[in-house]
Amino acid sequence: DTAVSQTPKYLVTQMGNDKSIKCEQNLGHDTMYWYKQDSKKFLKIMFSYNNKELIINETVPNRFSPKSPDKAHLNLHINSLELGDSAVYFCASSHTGISYTEAFFGQGTRLTVV
Amino acid sequence: GESVGLHLPTLSVQEGDNSIINCAYSNSASDYFIWYKQESGKGPQFIIDIRSNMDKRQGQRVTVLLNKTVKHLSLQIAATQPGDSAVYFCAENISNSGYALNFGKGTSLLVTP
Repeated sequence: DTAVSQTPKYLVTQMGNDKSIKCEQNLGHDTMYWYKQDSKKFLKIMFSYNNKELIINETVPNRFSPKSPDKAHLNLHINSLELGDSAVYFCASSHTGISYTEAFFGQGTRLTVV
Repeated sequence: GESVGLHLPTLSVQEGDNSIINCAYSNSASDYFIWYKQESGKGPQFIIDIRSNMDKRQGQRVTVLLNKTVKHLSLQIAATQPGDSAVYFCAENISNSGYALNFGKGTSLLVTP
């Protein structure tokens, strides 16, 4: 019954590797997001996707790429991982437009790059 | 630039007391504000939201106040309980972003018995 689910919950990998984090929402929302939370708990938007269109892309390195196979999924691919990529990544979803709802967040993926 | 900030990084209150967490924002064009609670090891959880055409909204034990004149937002928690201990974030919508949120730095609320 999890509304927004991410896998894996923990990910430890070496520098230079390529990794993916998966996200699925079963709320029927039309927009999905990826946020990054650093060691100081600061949450920052990375991407949002609405109907397979990228709406916003903050100053995120192009090593990060969101992939949305359908409205219920937004996966995050990261190439050539760097130490500074270590953080907790949160997926979220919401309705936008007239039927706007608040964003629902997943439980997070703690990425550690060694 | 656009930013949302919190006045106090930590707040310690006794069980049963009322808590007030404050937040300042700088983007006068923001029309939607939201409070989230984040417990250790979990994702942010929605508490309450408010639109810019309102100045007060109440939920169960929580009240959000919006003062657009001074660009100030506050979250009041009545009869604070140990389960309220968490980090609280205020956030504002980012213009033309599909409702992506700009988060403040967070306030850690510690409820002592």
